[in-house]
Amino acid sequence: DVKVTQSSRYLVKRTGEKVFLECVQDMDHENMFWYRQDPGLGLRLIYFSYDVKMKEKGDIPEGYSVSREKKERFSLILESASTNQTSMYLCASSSSGQGKETQYFGPGTRLLVL
Amino acid sequence: LAKTTQPISMDSYEGQEVNITCSHNNIATNDYITWYQQFPSQGPRFIIQGYKTKVTNEVASLFIPADRKSSTLSLPRVSLSDTAVYYCLVGPNQGGKLIFGQGTELSVKP
Repeated sequence: DVKVTQSSRYLVKRTGEKVFLECVQDMDHENMFWYRQDPGLGLRLIYFSYDVKMKEKGDIPEGYSVSREKKERFSLILESASTNQTSMYLCASSSSGQGKETQYFGPGTRLLVL
Repeated sequence: LAKTTQPISMDSYEGQEVNITCSHNNIATNDYITWYQQFPSQGPRFIIQGYKTKVTNEVASLFIPADRKSSTLSLPRVSLSDTAVYYCLVGPNQGGKLIFGQGTELSVKP
């Protein structure tokens, strides 16, 4: 089974702090994604990466950056956390296929910014 | 990416068959239809994927009519543990950008 793990299930940070959310997948997937999920807004894509050291902006990249130094690891960085970044953050990975790609999600990190 | 429309919520009872329909009028020729399930405080989980006609696995069936403008996820004999949000997604699924809509919140009652 594909396993996607996230460094923390719950995190509490203060406004202005730099926050790192780590995601690791064990299936040698090329693609990795960061989403945030908020009530009434569904899942929204923040950033994704097709390969090591490559990144693409999703729908809501403002206030976030990412790092992919190794294939299995994709980090989401909140440079200066703000209260409106309180959310559930979900990491996913997938393998580039022939039109039948499936994303595998981690358990999520619930971040509270005070 | 094609937009999808599905009911916001549905109620059912244990043992019943549940059918959740998704509309995707703008589906493109190379688009697949994929359904995910999400339990509270967990990430979405892939359930089933199809292109046309019918697909069945150990969890669900997916019915897709010839025009592919809609699809129906069928859950046989639901149990309380099937209470979750179900998302219908349509896309080429290459390079991974998925658009999640609001999903259908299924509540299974005893």
